[in-house]
Amino acid sequence: ILNVEQSPQSLHVQEGDSTNFTCSFPSSNFYALHWYRWETAKSPEALFVMTLNGDEKKKGRISATLNTKEGYSYLYIKGSQPEDSATYLCAFIRSNYQLIWGAGTKLIIKP
Amino acid sequence: DADVTQTPRNRITKTGKRIMLECSQTKGHDRMYWYRQDPGLGLQLIYYSFDVKDINKGEISDGYSVSRQAQAKFSLSLESAIPNQTALYFCATSDSPGGPVDTQYFGPGTRLTVL
Repeated sequence: ILNVEQSPQSLHVQEGDSTNFTCSFPSSNFYALHWYRWETAKSPEALFVMTLNGDEKKKGRISATLNTKEGYSYLYIKGSQPEDSATYLCAFIRSNYQLIWGAGTKLIIKP
Repeated sequence: DADVTQTPRNRITKTGKRIMLECSQTKGHDRMYWYRQDPGLGLQLIYYSFDVKDINKGEISDGYSVSRQAQAKFSLSLESAIPNQTALYFCATSDSPGGPVDTQYFGPGTRLTVL
């Protein structure tokens, strides 16, 4: 793949349930992968940056994994809360420093 | 106070008008970026600047120009606005010499509508 693809585009999850979604990127010329969280009417904010195959990062109930060989990263949210509702963006950085953004996964937590 | 500010937050204009969007930052970062976001698409880089004397085109620079007036200020101009430039525009900053893994800090966005 030449682009960064995020799936699903949107996701409705019951409060308390856990969920995950995917960022797929070209497996060649990998340099780094960022995850950002973008709440409606606010600015995107950085969650994680990952650079090594097998990297796992965690911040509270949110964690991410990275597989550079097959070109994907998963973002996991454990025990979803209403404040987790946001669009989650990933950005792939190639070895020539080109940065390519995915279109995002919009997560809606139902109370 | 927000570290990265954008003005205006919303703007409606007509085809053919010249528009300037302004971005200011208090983070002391050297690197600044302008993106546009269209529904269903990822952020697309318009222009970026690694310091006051360094301006670079991004992937969709046609129809846009920029000015880096100071380390803290980076303006985006639409010389003659057209309807397909209707979008949400973000300014962002990042520190150097963080390199390609450095985190970007975004402004609140400017929603531009061209009629």
